[in-house]
Amino acid sequence: EAQVTQNPRYLITVTGKKLTVTCSQNMNHEYMSWYRQDPGLGLRQIYYSMNVEVTDKGDVPEGYKVSRKEKRNFPLILESPSPNQTSLYFCASSSGQAYNEQFFGPGTRLTVL
Amino acid sequence: AQKVTQAQTEISVVEKEDVTLDCVYETRDTTYYLFWYKQPPSGELVFLIRRNSFDEQNEISGRYSWNFQKSTSSFNFTITASQVVDSAVYFCALSGGYGNKLVFGAGTILRVKS
Repeated sequence: EAQVTQNPRYLITVTGKKLTVTCSQNMNHEYMSWYRQDPGLGLRQIYYSMNVEVTDKGDVPEGYKVSRKEKRNFPLILESPSPNQTSLYFCASSSGQAYNEQFFGPGTRLTVL
Repeated sequence: AQKVTQAQTEISVVEKEDVTLDCVYETRDTTYYLFWYKQPPSGELVFLIRRNSFDEQNEISGRYSWNFQKSTSSFNFTITASQVVDSAVYFCALSGGYGNKLVFGAGTILRVKS
């Protein structure tokens, strides 16, 4: 089954404790992206990757890091989480063209205390 | 810069009513793509439709229909004979710029009461 998986689905942590949210897709997609969803703001892009070893900032990259060492994986790293990073996070993948549907993971609800 | 506006924050209707969700977009691209996603209470994002900027034909899929008008930069979504299961947050989104980024509207919460 074609899918994007994220782990963990729920996470409660404390300020400053480094964490990683994993994202994996099994569709051989070149393009992967991270979004955060906040009430009243919709989803905003954090980082994206056009292919292996190619990453770039989205609209709200501060406080986040990513890496793309393999085509299927695109982890999101919060080196020192802060309460304003409490949000619902989605990973997405697509075949790379703007017209293609982006497939979204199930979401990770992160709470930073 | 690209922008999507969903002016309706929340809509409440009674089952079987028709409801239209508005979406207005801004872009300088001549080629772009518009999407609607549904987010049910379970939280996942469900793809509903994609439209490219060269295709202004309206589309109907069961109880769902979409009206794309380039002249008013709008891509509105109508649910006919709404059902409780339609209760969700609906997002309109736009892509076309560099990086294949989807620019989302703020979303419209639809509550359908029985």
